[in-house]
Parts: sequence; C-alpha cells; structure tokens
Amino acid sequence: KAGVTQTPRYLIKTRGQQVTLSCSPISGHRSVSWYQQTPGQGLQFLFEYFSETQRNKGNFPGRFSGRQFSNSRSEMNVSTLELGDSALYLCASSQTGSRTDTQYFGPGTRLTVL
Amino acid sequence: DQQVKQNSPSLSVQEGRISILNCDYTNSMFDYFLWYKKYPAEGPTFLISISSIKDKNEDGRFTVFLNKSAKHLSLHIVPSQPGDSAVYFCAASRISGTYKYIFGTGTRLKVLA
Repeated sequence: KAGVTQTPRYLIKTRGQQVTLSCSPISGHRSVSWYQQTPGQGLQFLFEYFSETQRNKGNFPGRFSGRQFSNSRSEMNVSTLELGDSALYLCASSQTGSRTDTQYFGPGTRLTVL
Repeated sequence: DQQVKQNSPSLSVQEGRISILNCDYTNSMFDYFLWYKKYPAEGPTFLISISSIKDKNEDGRFTVFLNKSAKHLSLHIVPSQPGDSAVYFCAASRISGTYKYIFGTGTRLKVLA
C-alpha cells in the first residue's frame, strides 16, 4: 500500500505570494491532518479534515486554509506569505481520525519564503 | 504556551546502552500520549503510545513510562542501536475539546557505535 505523498517536496516563494500544498493520504484513509514544523516550535497542528469537512483547527491565522476532496486528497493554502511561514509542512492521514488511530505522516513540503 | 516540553534538545548514548528520552506536560486533561521518531527528509513515524489508565507500555526495545502525578513521561530504548539515531517527538492529546495532538519540540538522539 502506498504511503502518504506530498507535493511539491520543496518550494521557494517570496513574501506576499500565496502557495498551495497537496497531500494524498493512504488509500482508505479519510482523515487528513496538517502540521507545521519549525526548529523552535516542533510540530504545530494546523487543521484536520474528515470526509471533506474541517473537523478541528489549530491556532493559526486565517491566511492558512485547507480543503479536502471527495477522494480524501487534501490541499493547504497559505496566502500573503510571510518570512515566518518558512517551515516544513507535514500532512498525516489515518483511517478514522480518532485519537488512538495511528497517524501516518508524509515526507513533508519544505517551504522557504524569501 | 508550550503544553508539552522536551527540555533536552539532544542526547548521545553509546550503542548497547539505555537511551532515556523525557517529556513533561502541563495540562492535566491530557490522557493519551504518543512517541514518534523522525529521520531526516522523512515524516515522523509512530513508535509507541500510552493511555493515562496505564503507567507503562512496552513494545520490543521501546518502553514508555507515564507518571501522571508528575505530569511526566519517558521513553526508554534498550539496547540502543545506531539505527535509533533520529529526532524523537512526544505528543499528548485529550478526550474533550478539539481533537488534536500537542507535540513537543523534539529530542535528537545520537547512538554512537
């Protein structure tokens, strides 16, 4: 079974631009969560989607948004990029999204904002 | 506010010895805890979990201990192997409120051959 895939793997943008990241979960998984990883903050939860609905949201500004499609693939969008948005963005999928359901992470998208 | 803290950013251990990674949390509502391992250029992989109704959980060389009164958990790796060299994240979750995991900042473990 293929793992979680994320595209693109690397991205360089300039301040003020917007970016869209994509995540394809493991086949059969309906929950997709997004995390931001920075050196000083560890992994911070952005949001979780389940069956095309945002179920939970972390403490990030409205510039960060996402969506999930009927095939469970998910996209994350960041508008008006700031230097501080430079980070590794990870998505994780699980079958049901319950707390005890193992999350499988993708390799991440490394975003650099210049 | 950092609700889950890993105060040691790095740890070096000799091969064959025990590695002990620590994690502290502040929210007494957390009742489910996990450890993840992350290699460079890869996403984190699930290692082991523990529910607050237990104080210990084992899986092969990996054991997680939970001390609820101290709000402290630790991951023991015995014996440590060079392939265990990675960044280890602990995470906590609570049954009420929004579903999400709160992750620590990670501890980089280096196992020396």
